[in-house]
Amino acid sequence: GESVGLHLPTLSVQEGDNSIINCAYSNSASDYFIWYKQESGKGPQFIIDIRSNMDKRQGQRVTVLLNKTVKHLSLQIAATQPGDSAVYFCAESAGGATNKLIFGTGTLLAVQP
Amino acid sequence: NAGVTQTPKFQVLKTGQSMTLQCAQDMNHNSMYWYRQDPGMGLRLIYYSASEGTTDKGEVPNGYNVSRLNKREFSLRLESAAPSQTSVYFCASSEAQVENTIYFGEGSWLTVV
Repeated sequence: GESVGLHLPTLSVQEGDNSIINCAYSNSASDYFIWYKQESGKGPQFIIDIRSNMDKRQGQRVTVLLNKTVKHLSLQIAATQPGDSAVYFCAESAGGATNKLIFGTGTLLAVQP
Repeated sequence: NAGVTQTPKFQVLKTGQSMTLQCAQDMNHNSMYWYRQDPGMGLRLIYYSASEGTTDKGEVPNGYNVSRLNKREFSLRLESAAPSQTSVYFCASSEAQVENTIYFGEGSWLTVV
């Protein structure tokens, strides 16, 4: 899960395994959620988004699951590759307003060859 | 395909000095943003521009000013830099302000000594 501490939580997986990264969001009014990937020294990169009227959305090798009851979001990466190594963080907003996005601190995904 | 380009990449300032971070996007987006990213914290919005000719404060605007020069360019100015402004700054853009993918630049590392 994500943390507001100085040390990012780390998920270490073997190449080829599936990865699950979790995010607990804070605002029960949030209805739009985004997952970003940030490689070292680079800007965040959009991965996938989901609206609150959905509980699952799939992309290429990624799936986002939303559980509004417990305010929990997860990102599943299938067949994790070394290029997936990065910090992943979620963002939430109420009303989908991009200027009101609240960003999490992130989870470091380390893929072992 | 440049996307969002920001300069400079790295800068060291002395306390009290001023500087401007430049940002340009080539995606014909209406909305542009400046964020800062600090260890242990999620991205925080400094200022944004919903459309050409408008600017608004974000979560942490104190000590900064912005200019939306035209549809492509959005600059961030530190008038009198302070050590607390040591951070990584990201410019971003989106087509619109509701449920739109935000595209980030590569970041500007600023150190104030």
